[in-house]
Amino acid sequence: GDSVTQTEGLVTVTEGLPVKLNCTYQTTYLTIAFFWYVQYLNEAPQVLLKSSTDNKRTEHQGFHATLHKSSSSFHLQKSSAQLSDSALYYCAPVLNSGGSNAKLTFGKGTKLSVKS
Amino acid sequence: AQTIHQWPVAEIKAVGSPLSLGCTIKGKSSPNLYWYWQATGGTLQQLFYSITVGQVESVVQLNLSASRPKDDQFILSTEKLLLSHSGFYLCAWSLGLGASAETLYFGSGTRLTVL
Repeated sequence: GDSVTQTEGLVTVTEGLPVKLNCTYQTTYLTIAFFWYVQYLNEAPQVLLKSSTDNKRTEHQGFHATLHKSSSSFHLQKSSAQLSDSALYYCAPVLNSGGSNAKLTFGKGTKLSVKS
Repeated sequence: AQTIHQWPVAEIKAVGSPLSLGCTIKGKSSPNLYWYWQATGGTLQQLFYSITVGQVESVVQLNLSASRPKDDQFILSTEKLLLSHSGFYLCAWSLGLGASAETLYFGSGTRLTVL
């Protein structure tokens, strides 16, 4: 079956240092695109990054990710973490089973805590 | 600008009691609508989606039902709540399904506690 594997649990990083959240996926379906969603405390999830092009770097709000279909990965990175980056991060591939509908599947989420 | 409003913000209900949650989308005609559920400490799980008025597709069976009585309204309900229904319910919309990947825009959610 389909599965999305993210860095598990809590990732703690010191402000100003780099951070990387891993995301890999397994599927028999066609992967159309990949999203990273971020959910701040007591708020709804919102889109952070989206990519549908293989081997192309996508950037937003200081975060970047590159979709590598050959290794089924879409890791999220930031060179200098900020206190305001503390949140829950979801990796979400969009899969097409061959029909007309695509399905967005969320990973289990990674909690990022940035300390001063 | 599009806005999505969910109600209520929070509910505390007894096991076996009925439930009705709603959301309204303004500023966008004929959006695709979704209900997601997030258990405490869990991931986001899609429950239902709808691409047009009167048509709702179930994704996961959780003894819940959904309806789309108007183009801009999506309702989630059940006649008998279970303890396992507790969690965070999110309504979302997108421009479309299909072969392209569309961004989901979430409402602020309803936190449900079943006792």
